[in-house]
Amino acid sequence: DAGITQSPRHKVTETGTPVTLRCHQTENHRYMYWYRQDPGHGLRLIHYSYGVKDTDKGEVSDGYSVSRSKTEDFLLTLESATSSQTSVYFCAMGPGLAGGQTDTQYFGPGTRLTVL
Amino acid sequence: RKEVEQDPGPFNVPEGATVAFNCTYSNSASQSFFWYRQDCRKEPKLLMSVYSSGNEDGRFTAQLNRASQYISLLIRDSKLSDSATYLCVVTSRDYKLSFGAGTTVTVRA
Repeated sequence: DAGITQSPRHKVTETGTPVTLRCHQTENHRYMYWYRQDPGHGLRLIHYSYGVKDTDKGEVSDGYSVSRSKTEDFLLTLESATSSQTSVYFCAMGPGLAGGQTDTQYFGPGTRLTVL
Repeated sequence: RKEVEQDPGPFNVPEGATVAFNCTYSNSASQSFFWYRQDCRKEPKLLMSVYSSGNEDGRFTAQLNRASQYISLLIRDSKLSDSATYLCVVTSRDYKLSFGAGTTVTVRA
């Protein structure tokens, strides 16, 4: 019952190349998020979206951009990949609440990205 | 200072034991609190929300202490399947979620 998927699931790329990760949801949730997870740091928010074409930065947004042209799709782009961007990337979705307060988030299966 | 801090563990316990651990948060304005579970190399999944009055879900009990800014999770009658990393999650500024780095629990037969 995967209401949220990510592609690709694994990717190896070289420093300096652009990389795009895709997140797709079928639940019509308003909010979508991109996180990275590294040992000792927990999940850190990269960017999030609160509607079509409405996005904002998270705490670790440098080197990343996002786009949301449809409710169901949220793309994360690494303009010029660096080795420090080797990580596991999780997409998440959530309904949000009136007034903008986020609530429970549901995560995709993750993308393991290695930048050589 | 990290917004959410957890004891990384690991907590190694035998089947049937009770295990409990806390996390602390720095933002006194935080309003929503959760425990997520993450299995090795998998995505986090919501275990339970944490309410001000405390709440139970089967063998799991969560407590919130706003005065001391910590939340706790207690697992009774541990099962092998409870082995996982437990993530403490709170809302931060602008109502985005902040995640702790996780507490690892290993239940042994």
